[in-house]
Amino acid sequence: SQTIHQWPATLVQPVGSPLSLECTVEGTSNPNLYWYRQAAGRGLQLLFYSVGIGQISSEVPQNLSASRPQDRQFILSSKKLLLSDSGFYLCAWSGSASNQPQHFGDGTRLSIL
Amino acid sequence: AQTVTQSQPEMSVQEAETVTLSCTYDTSENNYYLFWYKQPPSRQMILVIRQEAYKQQNATENRFSVNFQKAAKSFSLKISDSQLGDTAMYFCAFTASGAGSYQLTFGKGTKLSVIP
Repeated sequence: SQTIHQWPATLVQPVGSPLSLECTVEGTSNPNLYWYRQAAGRGLQLLFYSVGIGQISSEVPQNLSASRPQDRQFILSSKKLLLSDSGFYLCAWSGSASNQPQHFGDGTRLSIL
Repeated sequence: AQTVTQSQPEMSVQEAETVTLSCTYDTSENNYYLFWYKQPPSRQMILVIRQEAYKQQNATENRFSVNFQKAAKSFSLKISDSQLGDTAMYFCAFTASGAGSYQLTFGKGTKLSVIP
């Protein structure tokens, strides 16, 4: 069966520091991968998605970036965090065909001080 | 652009009773998929049920069922025999059909509390 791992579970970072959140998927090949942000009391906002190694699509302009160095690895990064980057970040995967349901990791609670 | 609206920010239900969560959406697409996700206090996002727009039959998954009204663009979730473990945020989500359709558009969620 497929599993998705996301870490760390919680992270406290100072303003201006870098960020790296990692997500890996097991049990499937060539998945679509996604990064979402969930602000308090709100739904999910898609930040990035990837349909293959090195292929990244950005949905919202921001100071975050994403990379996919391997088929089942998806990384969310920032060179300098802002206070507004605080939130709950979720990684998800789906089958490579369109309209497949997305399956989520446990999320990372990011607090910027 | 698609939008998803959940008009009930919070709801509560007695254990073992039935509750219905509302969701409406707006789209110009004819073929699409709708989902309900559950997010318990642990924050993990869990797929509850899925509906293809071209299917007239309402999807069911054990105690969870949907009432899909395509003309009205309505997609409500019914939870029967509510259990304490059903306490969670529930999100309705939409994705268009067709090649290159990857984005899930989420509603803002309904916080459901099951009362013992």
